Amino acid sequence: DQQVKQNSPSLSVQEGRISILNCDYTNSMFDYFLWYKKYPAEGPTFLISISSIKDKNEDGRFTVFLNKSAKHLSLHIVPSQPGDSAVYFCAASADYGQNFVFGPGTRLSVLP
Amino acid sequence: EADIYQTPRYLVIGTGKKITLECSQTMGHDKMYWYQQDPGMELHLIHYSYGVNSTEKGDLSSESTVSRIRTEHFPLTLESARPSHTSQYLCASSEYSAGRFYNEQFFGPGTRLTVL
Repeated sequence: DQQVKQNSPSLSVQEGRISILNCDYTNSMFDYFLWYKKYPAEGPTFLISISSIKDKNEDGRFTVFLNKSAKHLSLHIVPSQPGDSAVYFCAASADYGQNFVFGPGTRLSVLP
Repeated sequence: EADIYQTPRYLVIGTGKKITLECSQTMGHDKMYWYQQDPGMELHLIHYSYGVNSTEKGDLSSESTVSRIRTEHFPLTLESARPSHTSQYLCASSEYSAGRFYNEQFFGPGTRLTVL
């Protein structure tokens, strides 16, 4: 049973608009969440994180929101740029990031 | 900028061959990981290590083995490659904080393995 779910395999957004990527989890012990971005033929690169003591973390164009009661987090990218086109993985940890469970990823396409 | 390297980046090999996938990091991280990822699927942890002489099996059963003789080096070996081993293999590292602070994992570029 998947503990971390990304129910949208793909998402297309127009350049300049907002991209919203969603992630749901089932394990209430998860208290630390990361988003990774992955280009083809490259390894994932860390994008942004949030711990369970916060409900929002912002870094430039990227904002992550955490709704603990709904076991849901989302990544907002504003404004979206063509270079943001990649696969985005949500990852969750119950031990301060020593071990992560990854979602299956969402492929974001930002159209010029 | 993460300094974690994997070689080879791509490998096509015949069934039955022994292969070793190399992973090295220059960040002095104690903890290292190997993940396996098939297209469109999540990353599955197959091995990890807390430090020198420590190796543990991950969530996904794997026929591969690992060793950790040096902090910076965490190679993965398949004694006899089979077509079912065709996948992307990703190495990662992180600091080991034992719950003192939050960590993220830094990933290498991956090795795409194809076994014919």
